[in-house]
Parts: sequence; structure tokens; C-alpha cells
Amino acid sequence: EAGVTQFPSHSVIEKGQTVTLRCDPISGHDNLYWYRRVMGKEIKFLLHFVKESKQDESGMPNNRFLAERTGGTYSTLKVQPAELEDSGVYFCASSHIQGGEQFFGPGTRLTVL
Amino acid sequence: AQSVSQHNHHVILSEAASLELGCNYSYGGTVNLFWYVQYPGQHLQLLLKYFSGDPLVKGIKGFEAEFIKSKFSFNLRKPSVQWSDTAEYFCAVNLFSSNTGKLIFGQGTTLQVKP
Repeated sequence: EAGVTQFPSHSVIEKGQTVTLRCDPISGHDNLYWYRRVMGKEIKFLLHFVKESKQDESGMPNNRFLAERTGGTYSTLKVQPAELEDSGVYFCASSHIQGGEQFFGPGTRLTVL
Repeated sequence: AQSVSQHNHHVILSEAASLELGCNYSYGGTVNLFWYVQYPGQHLQLLLKYFSGDPLVKGIKGFEAEFIKSKFSFNLRKPSVQWSDTAEYFCAVNLFSSNTGKLIFGQGTTLQVKP
């Protein structure tokens, strides 16, 4: 069974540019989550999809962040325009059951210069 | 706001030493509890989890954790660590009644095991 995959693994962009991160969950997992870890801080929740619907987006920092999950399969997280404080590692996870074990992807390391 | 606190940020042990990593959470309701581990160059993976039942749970690689409800704690233990246990360890909590699957993480504890 393939795990959660994320693309790209690294991204370096300049302030003001746009970046789109992609997450492919484990097949059949309705629940998809985005998290972020800023250097030196804890992993923080961004949002939770159930299929294509946003179940909880309470962790989204501001309206520069837009997450989508068209068709309830893969998800994208777009940052536009990127700011310096957006740098960090963005993790995606998926689960079969809400509240159950989450399987994490390798993360995307975003650096905003 | 709900939070998870891991007491130790950086732990250094020699091989065969015993390990205990503290984790406390601030929430009075029902919780699901997790310990995740991230080995160098790898992604986060589940060590063990507690949903209900026996408060002493066993995970992979000889790890175990004890849920003490009265203390809001879920400490991770291993009787004898190995060099391969060098990694970062994360305690995480899901609030059962929150109608969301989000995990609230502690700050992480980096464990370095010296051979």
C-alpha cells in the first residue's frame, strides 16, 4: 500500500511569490489533514478535509492560504503571496477514521527568502 | 486553549539506559492520545496510541505509554534504549468531542542515544 506522498519535497521562493503544495493521501482515506512546523516550534494543525469538504479550517493562518481537495482525492495548499514567516515544513496526513491514526507524508520544506 | 506539553526538549542517554518522556495535556474531556516518532531523514510514524481500555499501551520497538487520567498525562517509556532510537518524539492529542480529527502536538523531544 502506497503511503502519503507530498510534492515538492523542497521549495525555495521569494517573498511575494506563489507556491502550491500537493498531497496525495492513502487511497480510500476520506480524512486529509494539513499541518505546519515552523523552525523551533511545535507542529500546528492547519485544516482537515473529509472527502472534498473542509471539516475544520480553524488553523489556517490567514487568507493568503487556500486549500482545496477537488474530487476528494489529492489536495493542494496554495500560499499567495508568500511571506517570510510562511517558511517551515508543511506536513500532510490522512486517516481512514476521523480521530484515528493519521499517516503522515514526508513533508514539504518551504523556504521564503 | 487546549495544549500539549512535553517536559524535555532534548534528552541524551547512553545505550541500555531507561527512557521516560513526559507528556501532559490540558483538556478535561475525552481524548485520544498518540506518540509519533520521526527518525532522521524519515517521516512521522506512529509509535503507539490510546483510545480507551487498558491505560498501559504497548507500541512498536519496545515502547509503552501509560495514560493517567487524573494527571492528564501520557508518558512514554522504554526500559532499555538503543542507538537506533535516536529520533524526535512527539506527543499528540485528539479531542474526542471536537468533531474534528485534528491533532494537537507537543513541542517534540529530541532523543540522542550514545553508543
